Amino acid sequence: QVQLVESGGGVVQPGRSLRLSCAASGFTFRNYGMIWARQAPGKGLEWVTIIWYDASNQYYTDSVKGRFTVSRDNSKNTLYLQMNSLRADDTAVYYCATVTGAGAARWYFDLWGRGTMVIVSS
Amino acid sequence: QSVLTQPPSVSAAPGQKVTISCSGSSSNIGNNDVSWYQQLPGTAPRLLIYDNDKRPSGIPDRFSGSKSGTSATLGITGLQTGDEADYYCGTWDSSLTAVVFGGGTKLTVL
Repeated sequence: QVQLVESGGGVVQPGRSLRLSCAASGFTFRNYGMIWARQAPGKGLEWVTIIWYDASNQYYTDSVKGRFTVSRDNSKNTLYLQMNSLRADDTAVYYCATVTGAGAARWYFDLWGRGTMVIVSS
Repeated sequence: QSVLTQPPSVSAAPGQKVTISCSGSSSNIGNNDVSWYQQLPGTAPRLLIYDNDKRPSGIPDRFSGSKSGTSATLGITGLQTGDEADYYCGTWDSSLTAVVFGGGTKLTVL
């Protein structure tokens, strides 16, 4: 079954850390770039980060630069998001998704996980 | 404020047609392909349109996409109550070196 399953969300205090995982199955994970996107309660979709299929490059949205780190283990078919120095405005459902398309100009995101909720609160 | 501008909401009656606009600039829509996503209440986003106007397998031909200059449009014909959802456009922004999404449009089928 082709799917992505996120895990690792929960309630965390401001300033603490959390690591999210995204487990891939049913397709050749190592062939795909991946993104993390998030959605704060009642808000729109926000892109967080992208990682190349071989982890050779990553980009981040400005608000998480220096705090979040994306990585992947292609031997385990798993994507990660290490989130440090968490803030209240990081509260959101976090989704992972596959990247398809020949180059950034043609990227699109065709397989999404169901998401994992992160709540940053004291 | 989103880099891509969408109307917050649109509405139409069952069976009618609706269009959702997505306005950007030369650094995003003007030079990169646009994709569209549907998010039904309480669910994850789903790819509706890619490469401006292509539909993935399983997406009905009631859904269409187009692009002109720095704007893109999603069209939905034969509206059904099951189409009530939030719709997002997305693309790459070459200046920001970032994926950008529109703010989302809530479709109500009256």
